[in-house]
Amino acid sequence: QVQLQESGPGLVKPSQTLSLTCTVSGGSVSSGPFYWSWIRQPAGKELESIGHIYTSGSATYNPSLKSRVTISVDTSRNQFSLKLDSVTAADTAVYFCARFDRITMSAKYWGPGTRVTVSP
Amino acid sequence: DVVMTQSPLSLPVTLGQAASIACRSSQSLVYVDGTTYLNWFHQRPGQSPRRLIYKVSNRDSGVPDRFSGSGSGTDFTLNIDRVEAEDVGLYYCMQGTHWPWTFGQGTKVEIK
Repeated sequence: QVQLQESGPGLVKPSQTLSLTCTVSGGSVSSGPFYWSWIRQPAGKELESIGHIYTSGSATYNPSLKSRVTISVDTSRNQFSLKLDSVTAADTAVYFCARFDRITMSAKYWGPGTRVTVSP
Repeated sequence: DVVMTQSPLSLPVTLGQAASIACRSSQSLVYVDGTTYLNWFHQRPGQSPRRLIYKVSNRDSGVPDRFSGSGSGTDFTLNIDRVEAEDVGLYYCMQGTHWPWTFGQGTKVEIK
């Protein structure tokens, strides 16, 4: 059974970089074809795709965030990571990592989510 | 971006009664390979989304058969035949055809 778990600081100051890691168990980030993805959900709002990194190592980002986002993978630790630069209060949200698959183009496996607040 | 519009946004239902949620996309969700990547998720407070339906009408393993999905092109529906107490929460449609993948605003199902 594939499991994902987000980790990282719950509080980030404005203008700093938000950094989160997703640790995968029960499967390998090198296996595929999968899109290892980051999704976020501001309080009371809909889910938003941030970006993903494909099994091949190629990353794709939401154009609305592209200039500030980096997603990378560490196969030795079976993890993938999110960095979001120059954060503002608008980046306050619950951040989920998830495994999207090429067959269904959706995600059966999600992490429980981690709440990140941007505040001085 | 493809806009996913759900209706209603709030759905009070009586236990044992049927419920229906509509989802409309601003563009056709038919991919170049002919597949329609429209999915439905259920989310309870404080939890991550749980996928119920993928590719319009395919139920995930473990999902009760009272849940069904239908539709084509830009118009889709999630039906719940006989609502049970455990079905309360938010329901989202999500399209995986066009990047960025986008979600609907969510429909809150509650028991009357």
